[in-house]
Amino acid sequence: EVQLLESGGGLVQPGGSLRLSCTASGLTFSSYAMSWVRQAPGKGPEWVSAISDGGGHIYYADSLKGRFTISRDNSKNTLYLQMNSLRAEDTAIYYCAKEVGVVAAFDIWGQGTVVTVSS
Amino acid sequence: EIVLTQSPGTLSLSPGERATLSCRASQSVSSSYLGWYQQKPGQAPRLLIYGASSRATGIPDRFSGSGSGTDFTLTISRLEPEDFAVYYCQQYGSSSSWTFGQGTKVEIK
Repeated sequence: EVQLLESGGGLVQPGGSLRLSCTASGLTFSSYAMSWVRQAPGKGPEWVSAISDGGGHIYYADSLKGRFTISRDNSKNTLYLQMNSLRAEDTAIYYCAKEVGVVAAFDIWGQGTVVTVSS
Repeated sequence: EIVLTQSPGTLSLSPGERATLSCRASQSVSSSYLGWYQQKPGQAPRLLIYGASSRATGIPDRFSGSGSGTDFTLTISRLEPEDFAVYYCQQYGSSSSWTFGQGTKVEIK
Protein backbone atom coordinates (compact mmCIF):
# COMPACT_ATOMS: atom_id res chain seq x y z
CA GLU A 1 0.00 0.00 0.00
CA VAL A 2 1.28 3.44 -0.95
CA GLN A 3 1.59 5.65 2.11
CA LEU A 4 2.95 9.08 3.01
CA LEU A 5 3.48 9.84 6.68
CA GLU A 6 4.20 13.36 7.88
CA SER A 7 5.78 14.28 11.20
CA GLY A 8 7.41 17.22 12.93
CA GLY A 9 4.46 19.50 13.49
CA GLY A 10 3.68 21.17 16.77
CA LEU A 11 3.27 24.41 18.66
CA VAL A 12 5.92 27.06 17.99
CA GLN A 13 6.23 30.71 18.93
CA PRO A 14 6.19 33.44 16.28
CA GLY A 15 9.65 33.79 14.79
CA GLY A 16 10.50 30.18 15.54
CA SER A 17 11.42 27.28 13.28
CA LEU A 18 10.18 23.77 12.56
CA ARG A 19 11.30 20.97 10.26
CA LEU A 20 8.64 18.75 8.82
CA SER A 21 9.33 15.29 7.44
CA CYS A 22 7.32 13.04 5.11
CA THR A 23 8.30 9.40 4.82
CA ALA A 24 7.06 7.42 1.83
CA SER A 25 6.43 3.69 1.58
CA GLY A 26 4.99 1.39 -1.05
CA LEU A 27 6.28 3.41 -4.01
CA THR A 28 9.53 4.21 -5.77
CA PHE A 29 9.95 7.57 -4.05
CA SER A 30 12.86 8.68 -6.20
CA SER A 31 10.67 8.52 -9.34
CA TYR A 32 8.20 11.19 -8.34
CA ALA A 33 8.04 14.91 -7.85
CA MET A 34 6.62 15.86 -4.47
CA SER A 35 4.94 18.89 -2.95
CA TRP A 36 3.95 20.37 0.37
CA VAL A 37 0.39 21.70 0.54
CA ARG A 38 -1.07 23.40 3.61
CA GLN A 39 -4.59 24.09 4.74
CA ALA A 40 -5.45 26.72 7.31
CA PRO A 41 -8.48 26.11 9.54
CA GLY A 42 -11.68 26.46 7.52
CA LYS A 43 -9.83 27.35 4.32
CA GLY A 44 -9.04 25.65 1.04
CA PRO A 45 -5.70 24.00 0.34
CA GLU A 46 -2.71 26.22 -0.47
CA TRP A 47 0.28 24.90 -2.37
CA VAL A 48 3.56 25.67 -0.57
CA SER A 49 6.49 24.13 -2.43
CA ALA A 50 7.47 21.45 -4.93
CA ILE A 51 10.62 19.48 -5.68
CA SER A 52 11.44 17.33 -8.70
CA ASP A 53 12.18 13.62 -8.45
CA GLY A 54 15.92 14.11 -8.30
CA GLY A 55 15.77 17.32 -6.30
CA GLY A 56 17.27 19.48 -9.01
CA HIS A 57 14.19 21.65 -9.57
CA ILE A 58 12.54 23.45 -6.67
CA TYR A 59 9.60 25.85 -6.62
CA TYR A 60 7.95 27.93 -3.89
CA ALA A 61 4.76 29.90 -3.50
CA ASP A 62 5.52 33.61 -3.82
CA SER A 63 3.87 34.30 -0.45
CA LEU A 64 6.58 32.45 1.46
CA LYS A 65 9.26 35.05 0.68
CA GLY A 66 12.20 32.73 1.22
CA ARG A 67 11.27 31.55 4.70
CA PHE A 68 10.72 27.87 3.77
CA THR A 69 13.15 25.35 2.23
CA ILE A 70 12.11 22.06 0.64
CA SER A 71 14.51 19.15 0.26
CA ARG A 72 14.49 15.38 -0.11
CA ASP A 73 16.67 12.38 0.67
CA ASN A 74 15.83 9.64 -1.81
CA SER A 75 18.02 7.13 0.05
CA LYS A 76 15.68 7.57 3.04
CA ASN A 77 12.44 7.94 1.03
CA THR A 78 11.88 11.20 2.88
CA LEU A 79 10.76 14.70 1.98
CA TYR A 80 11.49 17.69 4.20
CA LEU A 81 10.22 21.22 4.77
CA GLN A 82 12.35 23.57 6.83
CA MET A 83 10.21 26.45 8.05
CA ASN A 84 11.85 29.57 9.54
CA SER A 85 10.57 32.92 10.82
CA LEU A 86 7.16 31.39 11.40
CA ARG A 87 4.12 33.63 11.63
CA ALA A 88 0.60 33.16 12.97
CA GLU A 89 -0.67 32.92 9.39
CA ASP A 90 1.48 29.81 8.86
CA THR A 91 -0.83 27.93 11.25
CA ALA A 92 -2.26 25.04 9.21
CA ILE A 93 -2.29 21.35 8.53
CA TYR A 94 0.71 20.58 6.34
CA TYR A 95 0.34 17.74 3.85
CA CYS A 96 2.92 16.14 1.65
CA ALA A 97 1.57 15.04 -1.71
CA LYS A 98 2.83 12.98 -4.63
CA GLU A 99 2.55 14.57 -8.05
CA VAL A 100 1.05 12.72 -11.00
CA GLY A 101 3.55 13.13 -13.80
CA VAL A 102 2.61 15.33 -16.70
CA VAL A 103 -0.86 16.32 -15.46
CA ALA A 104 0.42 18.15 -12.37
CA ALA A 105 -2.19 16.79 -10.00
CA PHE A 106 -1.70 15.24 -6.56
CA ASP A 107 -2.86 11.63 -6.37
CA ILE A 108 -1.44 10.53 -3.02
CA TRP A 109 -1.60 12.63 0.16
CA GLY A 110 -0.38 12.05 3.67
CA GLN A 111 -2.65 12.44 6.68
CA GLY A 112 -1.08 15.80 7.51
CA THR A 113 0.79 17.28 10.45
CA VAL A 114 -0.53 20.24 12.42
CA VAL A 115 1.58 23.37 12.80
CA THR A 116 0.38 26.00 15.26
CA VAL A 117 2.22 29.30 15.53
CA SER A 118 1.21 31.11 18.69
CA SER A 119 2.72 32.78 21.72
CA GLU B 1 -1.28 34.28 -10.21
CA ILE B 2 -4.40 32.57 -11.56
CA VAL B 3 -7.34 32.79 -9.18
CA LEU B 4 -9.95 30.04 -9.19
CA THR B 5 -13.46 30.99 -8.10
CA GLN B 6 -15.87 28.18 -7.28
CA SER B 7 -19.63 28.43 -7.21
CA PRO B 8 -21.90 27.99 -5.49
CA GLY B 9 -20.34 28.13 -2.05
CA THR B 10 -22.82 25.58 -0.76
CA LEU B 11 -25.05 23.19 -2.67
CA SER B 12 -27.98 21.63 -0.76
CA LEU B 13 -29.22 18.51 -2.48
CA SER B 14 -30.82 15.15 -1.71
CA PRO B 15 -29.30 11.71 -2.39
CA GLY B 16 -30.01 10.67 -5.95
CA GLU B 17 -30.00 14.23 -7.27
CA ARG B 18 -27.51 15.64 -9.76
CA ALA B 19 -24.82 18.05 -8.56
CA THR B 20 -23.17 20.60 -10.84
CA LEU B 21 -20.15 22.49 -9.46
CA SER B 22 -18.46 25.36 -11.25
CA CYS B 23 -14.85 26.53 -11.27
CA ARG B 24 -13.97 29.75 -13.08
CA ALA B 25 -10.37 30.87 -13.64
CA SER B 26 -9.20 34.49 -13.76
CA GLN B 27 -7.31 33.67 -16.97
CA SER B 28 -7.15 30.73 -19.34
CA VAL B 29 -5.99 27.43 -17.86
CA SER B 30 -4.60 24.48 -19.76
CA SER B 31 -7.14 21.68 -19.56
CA SER B 32 -4.25 19.29 -19.00
CA TYR B 33 -3.61 20.93 -15.64
CA LEU B 34 -7.10 21.25 -14.14
CA GLY B 35 -8.00 18.91 -11.31
CA TRP B 36 -10.85 18.31 -8.87
CA TYR B 37 -10.59 16.99 -5.31
CA GLN B 38 -13.03 15.78 -2.68
CA GLN B 39 -12.39 16.40 1.01
CA LYS B 40 -14.28 15.00 3.97
CA PRO B 41 -13.88 16.27 7.55
CA GLY B 42 -10.62 15.21 9.15
CA GLN B 43 -9.27 13.76 5.90
CA ALA B 44 -6.80 14.86 3.27
CA PRO B 45 -8.11 15.86 -0.15
CA ARG B 46 -8.66 13.00 -2.59
CA LEU B 47 -8.02 13.37 -6.31
CA LEU B 48 -11.17 12.79 -8.36
CA ILE B 49 -10.45 14.28 -11.78
CA TYR B 50 -7.24 15.29 -13.56
CA GLY B 51 -6.73 16.81 -16.97
CA ALA B 52 -10.19 18.40 -16.61
CA SER B 53 -12.05 15.21 -17.54
CA SER B 54 -10.08 12.06 -16.66
CA ARG B 55 -11.16 10.13 -13.60
CA ALA B 56 -8.46 9.14 -11.14
CA THR B 57 -7.96 5.50 -10.20
CA GLY B 58 -10.93 4.02 -8.37
CA ILE B 59 -13.25 7.00 -8.87
CA PRO B 60 -16.84 5.97 -9.76
CA ASP B 61 -18.20 6.96 -13.15
CA ARG B 62 -20.93 9.11 -11.57
CA PHE B 63 -18.16 11.74 -11.27
CA SER B 64 -17.34 13.58 -14.48
CA GLY B 65 -15.42 16.71 -15.38
CA SER B 66 -15.68 19.02 -18.34
CA GLY B 67 -14.72 22.46 -19.56
CA SER B 68 -11.92 24.44 -21.09
CA GLY B 69 -10.32 27.86 -21.05
CA THR B 70 -11.67 29.63 -17.98
CA ASP B 71 -14.79 27.58 -17.21
CA PHE B 72 -14.77 24.08 -15.77
CA THR B 73 -17.47 21.88 -14.28
CA LEU B 74 -17.58 18.87 -11.99
CA THR B 75 -20.79 16.85 -12.26
CA ILE B 76 -21.97 14.14 -9.89
CA SER B 77 -24.75 12.39 -11.78
CA ARG B 78 -26.57 10.85 -8.81
CA LEU B 79 -25.47 11.75 -5.32
CA GLU B 80 -24.65 8.89 -3.00
CA PRO B 81 -24.55 9.42 0.80
CA GLU B 82 -20.74 9.28 0.75
CA ASP B 83 -20.53 12.14 -1.79
CA PHE B 84 -21.54 14.84 0.67
CA ALA B 85 -18.26 16.67 1.18
CA VAL B 86 -16.29 19.73 0.10
CA TYR B 87 -14.95 19.86 -3.46
CA TYR B 88 -11.99 21.88 -4.67
CA CYS B 89 -10.71 22.66 -8.14
CA GLN B 90 -6.97 23.10 -8.70
CA GLN B 91 -4.79 24.35 -11.55
CA TYR B 92 -1.11 24.29 -12.40
CA GLY B 93 0.27 27.34 -14.16
CA SER B 94 3.20 28.38 -16.33
CA SER B 95 4.96 29.90 -13.32
CA SER B 96 5.38 26.37 -11.92
CA SER B 97 2.88 26.92 -9.15
CA TRP B 98 -0.46 25.47 -8.18
CA THR B 99 -3.60 27.21 -6.96
CA PHE B 100 -6.81 25.85 -5.49
CA GLY B 101 -10.32 27.24 -5.44
CA GLN B 102 -12.04 28.13 -2.18
CA GLY B 103 -14.31 25.09 -2.35
CA THR B 104 -17.95 24.10 -2.78
CA LYS B 105 -19.66 22.27 0.06
CA VAL B 106 -22.25 19.71 -1.03
CA GLU B 107 -24.60 19.19 1.88
CA ILE B 108 -27.64 17.04 2.47
CA LYS B 109 -30.89 18.92 1.98
